[in-house]
Amino acid sequence: GAGVSQSPSNKVTEKGKDVELRCDPISGHTALYWYRQSLGQGLEFLIYFQGNSAPDKSGLPSDRFSAERTGGSVSTLTIQRTQQEDSAVYLCASSLVGKETEAFFGQGTRLTVV
Amino acid sequence: AQSVSQHNHHVILSEAASLELGCNYSYGGTVNLFWYVQYPGQHLQLLLKYFSGDPLVKGIKGFEAEFIKSKFSFNLRKPSVQWSDTAEYFCAVNARGGADGLTFGKGTHLIIQP
Repeated sequence: GAGVSQSPSNKVTEKGKDVELRCDPISGHTALYWYRQSLGQGLEFLIYFQGNSAPDKSGLPSDRFSAERTGGSVSTLTIQRTQQEDSAVYLCASSLVGKETEAFFGQGTRLTVV
Repeated sequence: AQSVSQHNHHVILSEAASLELGCNYSYGGTVNLFWYVQYPGQHLQLLLKYFSGDPLVKGIKGFEAEFIKSKFSFNLRKPSVQWSDTAEYFCAVNARGGADGLTFGKGTHLIIQP
């Protein structure tokens, strides 16, 4: 596609339920990032995929969070047993890999845990 | 590990005022530097970037930034702001040629009063 596509754009879920957020990166981009944007907290790095390398999971806030990237393209971020503090906008970005590349962001998924 | 510090979390200016937003980074090697902007209700988009060469880079909408290596800084400037510049501004860094993803600052919320 022309840009990074994320779905759903909005998700309201009950506390304790699991949610899956999807990211479809720009075709050909081998690097994919997930970030979380909370009010007043800026952009929080969650996880980074680069090609076939093991992902950098250092930003995942707890073991309730996991992410997969199948076939080097689409990625799914899963949050199990959601808590109210998980409410945020979850952003996905993709880029080429190399010395001089920039990341392109999707519109994000606004997650509200009630 | 990389880190980025943005000194001003909230800035309020009048139209036609000059703008400078501070950004300092911490990393021992060579870096790529970015400023991203998020207008209200829109996704993050690239404002400008520095990879190499002239340390004074120009971006869209009259913005510019200067990379000062000795100060580990990449401050964003605009000589005369407009009401439409109201947005959230994020400074970001990543290691050149490395496998690390982007590291973002906390962001600066800029409000331009007409």
